[in-house]
Amino acid sequence: DAEITQSPRHKITETGRQVTLACHQTWNHNNMFWYRQDLGHGLRLIHYSYGVHDTNKGEVSDGYSVSRSNTEDLPLTLESAASSQTSVYFCASSDWIGHGYTFGSGTRLTVV
Amino acid sequence: GNSVTQMEGPVTLSEEAFLTINCTYTATGYPSLFWYVQYPGEGLQLLLKATKADDKGSNKGFEATYRKETTSFHLEKGSVQVSDSAVYFCALRQGGSEKLVFGKGTKLTVNP
Repeated sequence: DAEITQSPRHKITETGRQVTLACHQTWNHNNMFWYRQDLGHGLRLIHYSYGVHDTNKGEVSDGYSVSRSNTEDLPLTLESAASSQTSVYFCASSDWIGHGYTFGSGTRLTVV
Repeated sequence: GNSVTQMEGPVTLSEEAFLTINCTYTATGYPSLFWYVQYPGEGLQLLLKATKADDKGSNKGFEATYRKETTSFHLEKGSVQVSDSAVYFCALRQGGSEKLVFGKGTKLTVNP
């Protein structure tokens, strides 16, 4: 069965370190997205990609970067982790028909 | 810009009670509308959707009708169960875009 997987599920890191969160999907979806979920804010879009070598900034992209070298993967990198980036991060993918997203199970990141 | 406003939670109901979670939106043109559900410790799952005015989305006993005149997409269920306890997110997709804009979520707790 096709799926979308995120790793790790939980991560604790120190302020200033570079961190990469993985997202891998086997749906063959062109579109991939990264959101962060925080209490009182719902889900906010960080970065997204509509295909290989395409990346775009979302509403809260400062301090984050992504790259898309193949269809299956969209890793999210925190260049220099800050306490404000403590959050739950969700990856999602979709096809072009606009059927809605398929979400991963999330990564809980704590920056200490 | 596009936005989604959901009723503030949390909502606590007894089993078999009637559920309404209000959702209104601001968007240009004719967006597609979605309800997602997030069970504890999991990612979001698509619950139902509607792509044009007067469409009714339905799934697992939940319903929502796309009302363009009131820019609303309220979620309803006639008789909730304990297993419906979750966080519910309303979302819209603007035509021509693959991005989803989410509301802040409404936490539902159903007591036996």
